[in-house]
Amino acid sequence: DADVTQTPRNRITKTGKRIMLECSQTKGHDRMYWYRQDPGLGLRLIYYSFDVKDINKGEISDGYSVSRQAQAKFSLSLESAIPNQTALYFCATSEAAGTGTHGTQYFGPGTRLTVL
Amino acid sequence: AQRVTQPEKLLSVFKGAPVELKCNYSYSGSPELFWYVQYSRQRLQLLLRHISRESIKGFTADLNKGETSFHLKKPFAQEEDSAMYYCALKVGGNEKLTFGTGTRLTIIP
Repeated sequence: DADVTQTPRNRITKTGKRIMLECSQTKGHDRMYWYRQDPGLGLRLIYYSFDVKDINKGEISDGYSVSRQAQAKFSLSLESAIPNQTALYFCATSEAAGTGTHGTQYFGPGTRLTVL
Repeated sequence: AQRVTQPEKLLSVFKGAPVELKCNYSYSGSPELFWYVQYSRQRLQLLLRHISRESIKGFTADLNKGETSFHLKKPFAQEEDSAMYYCALKVGGNEKLTFGTGTRLTIIP
């Protein structure tokens, strides 16, 4: 779904560097999410935001931080990257509760991050 | 805490044969279950959700609360069904999804 975009699509960095991954959406959804995907582990939730003033930790938030700059933008930062943060990162959005499709999440194309 | 289990990491099926991808969940209340699919070089997308009780691309999934299962089935596999499939669970008013570890389905021509 081209309404959810992520930049960069690929990034190679070194241990200790600060990295920011960006997500933008034109779907007008309030809810946004960051996941990481690792082989054999599926998708794990890092952070989520239900509106601009609401930020919540997911199951694996250590080593990450986020910023919800606007309804349409949700950034994920790795303050000091380490090799075990090498993964595929996905952003997703969803509508608020009470709408017909709530619960359905719409995913971006992913960012492949390699930390050397 | 809720949990989703997909016991098969890899599943290979011949074209035309029936397909069943297993999903079990642990949650004592009334869950919402979803199947998401990721085709090669495409983004993860919703395949179907149990409350819609629909068939998408020939796939169906029935929620069995007694067995806490939501298995995905298709009577006749097609080559284009080859993909990664994730089962996901949403509980109560919580908007978060809990994903299983995924099953990579390969259809053998």
